[in-house]
Amino acid sequence: DIQMTQSPSSLSASVGDRVTITCRASQGISNYLAWFQQKPGKAPKSLIYDASSLQSGVPSKFSGSGSGTDFTLTISSLQPEDFATYYCQQYKSYPLTFGGGTKVEIK
Amino acid sequence: EVQLVESGGGLVQPGGSLRLSCAASGFTFSDHYMDWVRQAPGKGLEWVGRSRNKANSYTTEYAASVKGRFTISRDDSKNSLYLQMNSLKTEDTAVYYCARSPYSNYYSDYWGQGTLVTVSS
Repeated sequence: DIQMTQSPSSLSASVGDRVTITCRASQGISNYLAWFQQKPGKAPKSLIYDASSLQSGVPSKFSGSGSGTDFTLTISSLQPEDFATYYCQQYKSYPLTFGGGTKVEIK
Repeated sequence: EVQLVESGGGLVQPGGSLRLSCAASGFTFSDHYMDWVRQAPGKGLEWVGRSRNKANSYTTEYAASVKGRFTISRDDSKNSLYLQMNSLKTEDTAVYYCARSPYSNYYSDYWGQGTLVTVSS
């Protein structure tokens, strides 16, 4: 199985900050990586697919990069509605696997 | 508008069975791969399994933790996805989400609101 490791597991940031979350795969996954946002009590929401493609309707402050084993999700200017938990997922091979999540909290 | 609505969750004893349903609307259901993903209380997301589309003969994939106990099926005539869960364990307690993959891609672009399954005596 491909292990997905996210870092950090949590971070505190202020409104307006630039935030970067990292996801590392235990083996190469090309660009078969997605990012999701989840708010408490809600379903996950797709943000990024194919490592860097923005899901329709998602604001451009979200961006993704990387290929192979190392990936990043960047939020260019953090807003109050962005405080949530973020997950990466690889879909290169079965079983599909998620990272452990990164909780973004208000500083 | 794409909508996915799960139902069938509830309280079940260890060793028991439960069948979850996911009603889909707003898209051509038979064209899409569909997944079940779960989330234990206070924990992260765990992929449970996948049903491929009609063009790929509705074949399925499962996580090792549920293989042999859970079965994914679908009825395209009813635009519905199912998860039959047998031999349930306390560690199967979670919110279960169904999720859709877009045509010709394999991530999940739309998710349902989830249904809670509690396995407890």
